[in-house]
Amino acid sequence: KQEVTQIPAALSVPEGENLVLNCSFTDSAIYNLQWFRQDPGKGLTSLLLIQSSQREQTSGRLNASLDKSSGRSTLYIAASQPGDSATYLCAVNTDKLIFGTGTRLQVFP
Amino acid sequence: EAQVTQNPRYLITVTGKKLTVTCSQNMNHEYMSWYRQDPGLGLRQIYYSMNVEVTDKGDVPEGYKVSRKEKRNFPLILESPSPNQTSLYFCASLSTSRSYNEQFFGPGTRLTVL
Repeated sequence: KQEVTQIPAALSVPEGENLVLNCSFTDSAIYNLQWFRQDPGKGLTSLLLIQSSQREQTSGRLNASLDKSSGRSTLYIAASQPGDSATYLCAVNTDKLIFGTGTRLQVFP
Repeated sequence: EAQVTQNPRYLITVTGKKLTVTCSQNMNHEYMSWYRQDPGLGLRQIYYSMNVEVTDKGDVPEGYKVSRKEKRNFPLILESPSPNQTSLYFCASLSTSRSYNEQFFGPGTRLTVL
């Protein structure tokens, strides 16, 4: 059974730091992996989607990598800003999306 | 604008009173799905639909019903809500005709069952 784990569960950093969020999954048979952002009480916004054949995707200050063989993905956020404060969720697609429980990020000025 | 809409956004009801949460997408997506999100448990899939008139159970289908009579709509029905169905609900859709397979989510419906 596929399980998705995100570490750390919470992270608090000062503005300007580069940071890495981790996502691991137990079954490498995935179609793709998607990173989402969720603001408190709000819906999910898709940030990046990496197909199983890809190694990384970039969008602005965000870079997501995928190592399918080791069951890992990382989301790198460069030069963090207070507006990046949110919960970040990763999800693997194996006929359905299976989500991790998220990393709650706080970036303080 | 491509979007998934849900209504209502907030709902407080009482045990046993039937309710329906609507979901609609304007992207002509074949696949639609319902999730619930609970603290410490993350997002779990309730039901999904691969196309019109095709629905299947997800991980936590008990106490829920769905229907898919039209491609754009996928309502979630709680025939007899109970307090353990208090949760944040999300509808999502994606196009299975594209290899990209990105899911789009609605804004969420916060349901409280007293």
